[in-house]
Order: sequence, then structure tokens, then C-alpha cells
Amino acid sequence: EAAVTQSPRSKVAVTGGKVTLSCHQTNNHDYMYWYRQDTGHGLRLIHYSYVADSTEKGDIPDGYKASRPSQENFSLILELASLSQTAVYFCASSDRDTEVFFGKGTRLTVV
Amino acid sequence: GEKVEQHESTLSVREGDSAVINCTYTDTASSYFPWYKQEAGKSLHFVIDIRSNVDRKQSQRLIVLLDKKAKRFSLHITATQPEDSAIYFCAASRYVGDNSKLIWGLGTSLVVNP
Repeated sequence: EAAVTQSPRSKVAVTGGKVTLSCHQTNNHDYMYWYRQDTGHGLRLIHYSYVADSTEKGDIPDGYKASRPSQENFSLILELASLSQTAVYFCASSDRDTEVFFGKGTRLTVV
Repeated sequence: GEKVEQHESTLSVREGDSAVINCTYTDTASSYFPWYKQEAGKSLHFVIDIRSNVDRKQSQRLIVLLDKKAKRFSLHITATQPEDSAIYFCAASRYVGDNSKLIWGLGTSLVVNP
């Protein structure tokens, strides 16, 4: 079965600290995504990738970096975490115009 | 920029009735329209999709209709059950060169009352 695994599942980070969220997929998909979901909001795309070693900016990239070192792995990096980055983060994978498989999410709290 | 608007932010129905969620999109080049369900405290999972070469698709109690002229698509859930209660997201594809990404609606919170 298609699988997207996120780690950690929850994290408390200090303002100004560095946070790395990791994502691993076993679906052999080309596309990977990082979304953010805030209470009362839909999904907002942060960064995405069509192929290993390449990333693209999504709709809200400011304050985030992404890294796709292999087809299976896609990381989201917050170099200087801020209170406004408290949210639930979802990683996902898909092929072009096909079902998107989501990870279980990471609940990030910045204090 | 291109948008997907989900017209109902909340929807309440009685068990056994039908629920309809409507979305409109702006990108005339969009050709792929999926729907996702998110139960409380959980992640999203795919429920059904439709492509622009058809105007209707059914999977058990779920029906998706697509009106390309009006740039509108809708999810119909028939004979609703309490376990249908969730947030439903619509999306439309947007093409950037040879690649595509999804533009998402803000979600509709469906409550099915027993």
C-alpha cells in the first residue's frame, strides 16, 4: 500500500531555533509536497518537488526551505522558527494528476 | 492567481438525505478535479476524482459532476451516514510547463445528524 511517513509526528520548538521535518515515501512517486494547515483554513502549499534534487516554491514559501535529496525523501526546514509557524504540516506524494497520498501530519508548536 | 472556491463552508444534513458540495475554478486549462476527505484530527484521503473528458462519475454513494462551461464541479453524497461527517476538500489541477499542481478549496465541514 502507498505510504508517506512523516517524522516527527509532533514537535515543540523554541522561537529562533531550527526545525527540520522529514518525509519518506515508498510510492515511487515523482511529486512530493509540503502543506501547512491552520485551524479554520484549508491547505496551503509551502514547497513542492517534481524530481529529486529540485524544489519549487509554493504559495507561502517565506520562512521555509525544502530539500529533496532522493526520490523518496523530502524535508522541510525552518531555519528560524517563529510563533506564526505553529501549525499542522502535511507531506504528500503523487504522480502527475493522480491521487495524492498524505502523511499523517506533524503538529508543530513554536513557543 | 488561479483559484478554487468552495461555496459551502459548513453543511448540515439529516442521516439518509443527500449532501451536495459545490466548487468553482478559474483556470480554463484545469482538467483534473479530485475530492478529499479529512476526518476530525486525521489526515486527508482521496475519495473520488473526475477528469475533463467526462461530465459525471460515480463511485458507490459518491457522484461527481463537472460543468466545464460554468467551470463548476460538485460532489454529491447520497444516503448520507454519520461516518460521512468530515471536512471535504475540492481541488483543481493547474499546469506549470509540463508539470502540474493542485489548487485547493478551503474545505466544507459536513455534519450528518442521526
